Amino acid sequence: AQRVTQPEKLLSVFKGAPVELKCNYSYSGSPELFWYVQYSRQRLQLLLRHISRESIKGFTADLNKGETSFHLKKPFAQEEDSAMYYCALSGLVNTDKLIFGTGTRLQVFP
Amino acid sequence: EAQVTQNPRYLITVTGKKLTVTCSQNMNHEYMSWYRQDPGLGLRQIYYSMNVEVTDKGDVPEGYKVSRKEKRNFPLILESPSPNQTSLYFCGSRGSSYEQYFGPGTRLTVT
Repeated sequence: AQRVTQPEKLLSVFKGAPVELKCNYSYSGSPELFWYVQYSRQRLQLLLRHISRESIKGFTADLNKGETSFHLKKPFAQEEDSAMYYCALSGLVNTDKLIFGTGTRLQVFP
Repeated sequence: EAQVTQNPRYLITVTGKKLTVTCSQNMNHEYMSWYRQDPGLGLRQIYYSMNVEVTDKGDVPEGYKVSRKEKRNFPLILESPSPNQTSLYFCGSRGSSYEQYFGPGTRLTVT
């Protein structure tokens, strides 16, 4: 079955510290993987998709098919990065299913 | 402005009283979806639609209905709401890219 696992419910760091939000997936096909972010009182929005291989707001994520992971990283966290982060899996053939992980709340302290 | 809108934003109702949450997008997107967000469970897809008159079940469709009569609208219908459907609901849409655009959310409480 397709599944996305985010093992950490909460990640707390100080400003300037490196951040890694973990995401593992289970899917036998060719996945499309995304990171979505939800800032306080705002709607969910796309942060990254693996296929674009770009850096947004200093965040990067690399798809590791061998480890079935798509961890989100940032070398120096900022207070404005505090938000809820969701990893999501798509690309299931003949469907528009989008499977989210349970989310990780990132708190960045000053 | 390109956007997804939902109405109402907040709704308190009683068990068994039918309700509809509307969703509309102005981006001419083919794909639309409904999700519910619950603490500790993240977002779970309820239904999705790949075009007009084409809908299919997501992971948690029980107790919900949808329809897609027009491209821009994708209402979510709860024929007989129950307290376990108390949740935060999001509508999303996308075009040919995989990026989902989300609405602002509808907070539903069923007593």
